[in-house]
Amino acid sequence: SQQGEEDPQALSIQEGENATMNCSYKTSINNLQWYRQNSGRGLVHLILIRSNEREKHSGRLRVTLDTSKKSSSLLITASRAADTASYFCATDQAGTALIFGKGTTLSVSS
Amino acid sequence: ETGVTQTPRHLVMGMTNKKSLKCEQHLGHNAMYWYKQSAKKPLELMFVYSLEERVENNSVPSRFSPECPNSSHLFLHLHTLQPEDSALYLCASSQELGQGGNQPQHFGDGTRLSIL
Repeated sequence: SQQGEEDPQALSIQEGENATMNCSYKTSINNLQWYRQNSGRGLVHLILIRSNEREKHSGRLRVTLDTSKKSSSLLITASRAADTASYFCATDQAGTALIFGKGTTLSVSS
Repeated sequence: ETGVTQTPRHLVMGMTNKKSLKCEQHLGHNAMYWYKQSAKKPLELMFVYSLEERVENNSVPSRFSPECPNSSHLFLHLHTLQPEDSALYLCASSQELGQGGNQPQHFGDGTRLSIL
């Protein structure tokens, strides 16, 4: 069953602009993760945020988590062409599984 | 550079063939996963192994048969596949088996499988 759902499905911006992607989920979570996937490659882990955290930073990435709204956002500041990729959120469910959303496809043009 | 290597990268096979996908992780992790990624669908978890023991099998058809001979290697044996099985098959590993989604997963670049 799908837990996380990203929004928008696709996003096109210019280099230097900020990109914001959102993830909504249905049931309570313990942790939420964000991944990036470049075309033809595997997923790369970006950030893990715990349910008791509200915000986390890693370089140009900023992730927020609002458990009351069951949502998270990923902000990429000062986007570069190399940020062009699909971005997925993943949440836990009972047991060991991570449930991934369908992803947001980000295109950054120079 | 991911630390998780999958071979082959591309595979074309007929519906009656038997083939195997291989995954090797060089990260010293204890848990390994197989996922299926189809166009316009969320990533689907197929199998989970922890210390070479299968701990999860998400109602995957028996034409997919996993094998984990040691904590560094994972195989997916394929036989009598259907056209709808064409997809990208991704292998991943994590330090330990995830509890509550607390383990980042490291992915290989996948095997692009096409069934004729």
